[in-house]
Amino acid sequence: GAVVSQHPSWVICKSGTSVKIECRSLDFQATTMFWYRQFPKQSLMLMATSNEGSKATYEQGVEKDKFLINHASLTLSTLTVTSAHPEDSSFYICSAREDGDQPQHFGDGTRLSIL
Amino acid sequence: QQQVKQSPQSLIVQKGGISIINCAYENTAFDYFPWYQQFPGKGPALLIAIRPDVSEKKEGRFTISFNKSAKQFSLHIMDSQPGDSATYFCAASRRMSNTGKLIFGQGTTLQVKP
Repeated sequence: GAVVSQHPSWVICKSGTSVKIECRSLDFQATTMFWYRQFPKQSLMLMATSNEGSKATYEQGVEKDKFLINHASLTLSTLTVTSAHPEDSSFYICSAREDGDQPQHFGDGTRLSIL
Repeated sequence: QQQVKQSPQSLIVQKGGISIINCAYENTAFDYFPWYQQFPGKGPALLIAIRPDVSEKKEGRFTISFNKSAKQFSLHIMDSQPGDSATYFCAASRRMSNTGKLIFGQGTTLQVKP
């Protein structure tokens, strides 16, 4: 149980385009979803926290207009990287939590490469 | 006060040996301490977790030891296998907070030699 699916797993696109990444909880309803960014050989950096039906809460230094997060249902959250540039290339990972007493379960990440 | 410090950064262990990774925290409000295992190109997977009301939790070859007074916790991997080679992250959070944010350690890359 507790499966989180992330799509796509790898995307390559040109500079200036927007990219949408989906995160789905397959067998539970996720009250809260989290988006992380991870650089090679580094730890996970939390970008934002989203609760279903509410606006996302962004961590300090994360541009909310650059990284649009939507959590429209209890099983789906999306991250859109707008007007992506090469410096946005990274590994983006989502996680989902059913409620406060449950652990976070992670998706398998999306490798984003901006040319 | 929000940091979780993890050591060592990397670890090489012979097959069958014991791998030990340590973490320390400052915020006494933390009440949930999970360990995650991450393979290259994959997301982290929950390995084992502990709450501060117990000093040790064991699941198979994996054991968490927790020292509340020292604000430290550690992961022990018994009979380490080459398949255990991965990056391990400790984390801490306040379970019932509004956000439930996980504060991650820096990670430890474990290599188990056959």
